[in-house]
Amino acid sequence: QEQLVESGGGLVKPGGSLRLTCAASGFTFSGYYMSWIRQTPGKGLEWLSYISDSGATTYYADSVKGRFTISRDNAKNSLYMQMNGLRVEDTALYYCAREPPYHGGLDFWGQGTLVTVSA
Amino acid sequence: SVLTQPPSVSGAPGQSVAISCTGSSSNIGAGYDVHWYQQLPGRAPKLLIYSNNNRPSGVPDRFSGSKSGTSASLAITGLQAEDEGDYYCQSFDSNLSGSKVFGGGTKLAVL
Repeated sequence: QEQLVESGGGLVKPGGSLRLTCAASGFTFSGYYMSWIRQTPGKGLEWLSYISDSGATTYYADSVKGRFTISRDNAKNSLYMQMNGLRVEDTALYYCAREPPYHGGLDFWGQGTLVTVSA
Repeated sequence: SVLTQPPSVSGAPGQSVAISCTGSSSNIGAGYDVHWYQQLPGRAPKLLIYSNNNRPSGVPDRFSGSKSGTSASLAITGLQAEDEGDYYCQSFDSNLSGSKVFGGGTKLAVL
């Protein structure tokens, strides 16, 4: 069945780095756009970044632009988020989600990986 | 949030509720599609309505979406206890390069 499994979260000090991975299975990964979204505990959803099916096009929210980098490896069915210069306010549950090319909705989400930024 | 939703709505089992999502001329009013998500307690969000009024396979027809002007609405009929959770609208904003935007979310309580 279709799966998106995030990993790579953990506890990191302010200014530190983490690399999140989203492993896809059960569908043709290369046929979908992908996004990262985060959710602060008890709060709402914040879209962070988008990558096209080929990886040629990327977009970022202002809150992470210049600090986070999205990438993908279609041969490995994997999506990545390199997070540098982490701040306390980046503490959140990070989800990956897929987007069919025929509409802008996010039709399948992983279960998330928790990132905690604390001294 | 760029998209405004009421913080909470409630209804009794069997009743109907509507959740509004108000945007502006740079997002919903510009013609961009609105999508709705359901997040049950402790679970990841799930796509409920895509492109304003379309239900993915498996979503009951108790859920419906509409859009008009700078606003959109999610209607839920025949409320059930398992509908209790958070609901989010999402669109695209032309003022924010490449950005998808979410509403702040609405907590639905089934009394």
